[in-house]
This record gives sequence, C-alpha cells and structure tokens, in this order.
Amino acid sequence: SQQGEEDPQALSIQEGENATMNCSYKTSINNLQWYRQNSGRGLVHLILIRSNEREKHSGRLRVTLDTSKKSSSLLITASRAADTASYFCATDARGGYNKLIFGAGTRLAVHP
Amino acid sequence: GAGVSQSPSNKVTEKGKDVELRCDPISGHTALYWYRQSLGQGLEFLIYFQGNSAPDKSGLPSDRFSAERTGGSVSTLTIQRTQQEDSAVYLCASSLNRRPLVRDEQYFGPGTRLTVT
Repeated sequence: SQQGEEDPQALSIQEGENATMNCSYKTSINNLQWYRQNSGRGLVHLILIRSNEREKHSGRLRVTLDTSKKSSSLLITASRAADTASYFCATDARGGYNKLIFGAGTRLAVHP
Repeated sequence: GAGVSQSPSNKVTEKGKDVELRCDPISGHTALYWYRQSLGQGLEFLIYFQGNSAPDKSGLPSDRFSAERTGGSVSTLTIQRTQQEDSAVYLCASSLNRRPLVRDEQYFGPGTRLTVT
C-alpha cells in the first residue's frame, strides 16, 4: 500500500484563495517532501520538512508536519492561475528504505 | 546550473523490442533514482544508486528491467522485450546525499515518455 496518500484528490479554487492539501502516511519517516508536477512531466521540489520539524515556510507555501498523526499539510496562500498543477507528497521512510514513496497526488486547478 | 537531463524525451517502440533510456544527473550528486509514472498516477520507485554501493533494485517490476550507472554519473535504464504495460513516463532524479543516512531533496529530469505499440 502507498506510504503517502494525498487528500483531496482534486481541488478547484479561484485566484486569490488559499489551497490546502493534506498527506497521510503509515510508517516513521526521516523527512517528508512536497513536489509539484505540471503537465505530467518533471517534478519540481517545493519543500522538505524533517521529522524533528513542525512547520516550514517558503514564499507563499507553508508546510506542517504532525508525526504523532502521521500527517502533513501544504498550504498555498493567495493562489495564482500558475499554481495549477498536481502536488505530491513523498516520504523518506526510516528502516533502511532507500526511496521516496509518493502518493497519487492532488490535482489543483486555480481559475482566474 | 544544469539540471537533470534525460533522453530521449519521447520513445515509441514496438512490443518485443528493447529500449534504453538515458539519465544525466546533476554534477556532484551522489544518488540517482529511476521512477515510473503511469497516466494519472503517482510515481513508482524502480531503482536507486548511491555512490559506489550496490544499487537498490527492489522496485524493478521484472527481470526485463535493468539499470546501470557508469562512473558514478550517467545512468541507463534498459527494458528488454517491451510490453504494452511498460508504457509510462520514466523519470530520473538525482540527489546530493552528502551525509550518511540523510537523504536530501531530489531533483527530477523532464522524463522520457515511452509508448509501446
């Protein structure tokens, strides 16, 4: 089963609104990462949050991590049409795993 | 600086043929990953190279898939006797991973879209 699962699967908002995407995972992690993907091609790294961190900011992005609930959220404030993309969380699990495990993603559509 | 590059960007092949996909990681990155993404799906891990260590091949779906990384840099993913279910976008990523047991963010290439007819 997938380690990271995003919620919602799809989100449609108007420009200027905030978008919140959630990610849940199952095992203990070293870090959790958020990526954006446009048009089904290369992924762009957004933020990495380590297991001992609770919140991180980067521009209009805010990521929180709750290891007790095994969940993370990505908040995009003051959204723009250019934010339209798929957003994936990926977990770097503890226990000898060597890979990021990606969820199925949230498709965000921001309408002008 | 230059990012991760992949070639070809698109590949159409007939069922049963072999294909080779190439990845040039960011210079100095010790780790290289291959993923596969089917239409509308998340990424599926295939294989991971870290420095001179033996690669983690746990994600390769069958023995038709293999990969090598020469000189700690360029990597080639080979799919033998391709099947229609191999059709997907194949993504390569590299990561600095300077510290033991600490995995840094991954930088992805644009991918190779493979279509098996």
